[in-house]
Amino acid sequence: AQSVTQLDSQVPVFEEAPVELRCNYSSSVSVYLFWYVQYPNQGLQLLLKYLSGSTLVKGINGFEAEFNKSQTSFHLRKPSVHISDTAEYFCAVLGGSYIPTFGRGTSLIVHP
Amino acid sequence: NAGVTQTPKFRVLKTGQSMTLLCAQDMNHEYMYWYRQDPGMGLRLIHYSVGEGTTAKGEVPDGYNVSRLKKQNFLLGLESAAPSQTSVYFCASSPAGWRVLGYGYTFGSGTRLTVV
Repeated sequence: AQSVTQLDSQVPVFEEAPVELRCNYSSSVSVYLFWYVQYPNQGLQLLLKYLSGSTLVKGINGFEAEFNKSQTSFHLRKPSVHISDTAEYFCAVLGGSYIPTFGRGTSLIVHP
Repeated sequence: NAGVTQTPKFRVLKTGQSMTLLCAQDMNHEYMYWYRQDPGMGLRLIHYSVGEGTTAKGEVPDGYNVSRLKKQNFLLGLESAAPSQTSVYFCASSPAGWRVLGYGYTFGSGTRLTVV
């Protein structure tokens, strides 16, 4: 079985400030991890993914995430956010099957 | 443009009415999925298909039926709509097996359904 917990439902932040969106997972087997972004009234787009190798993964739009196996976490970070980063962010895990489990989402709200 | 297309984009139904949501993909993906998205609940898997002619139940299948008669299409049906089915529905597709790790999942832009 696999599960994902996104610890924050909403994260407000001011423009140009750093941000971290937290994701913890649970799985009985090795995992693959993903972050997706959903802009208002749109579908989900892949932001970045961890499959293997380096635990620091870089994605689009300046985002990066770090895989921490001991803490079963895959937190998403950006050093300086823009208004355009306002969106819903979803963490997803793939464990033993090829059907992903998505977290409940974190709403990132960037204030000017 | 290549991708996943969902129709319709918006729909209002009366309780008890039926309807079918269509999902079409042109990427030759083997797997297709239907999710519903509700505030605070994230994405919940309704049904999925691992190939033409196959379907399987997801996390919240009750009240929905699906069919995959052609590889490129995945239909979601509501036989008797209820207000609890008011939601945004997303279709997604992916390659099969290990190839999904490289390609990820491609999502449609969603169907906003309101049942009154």
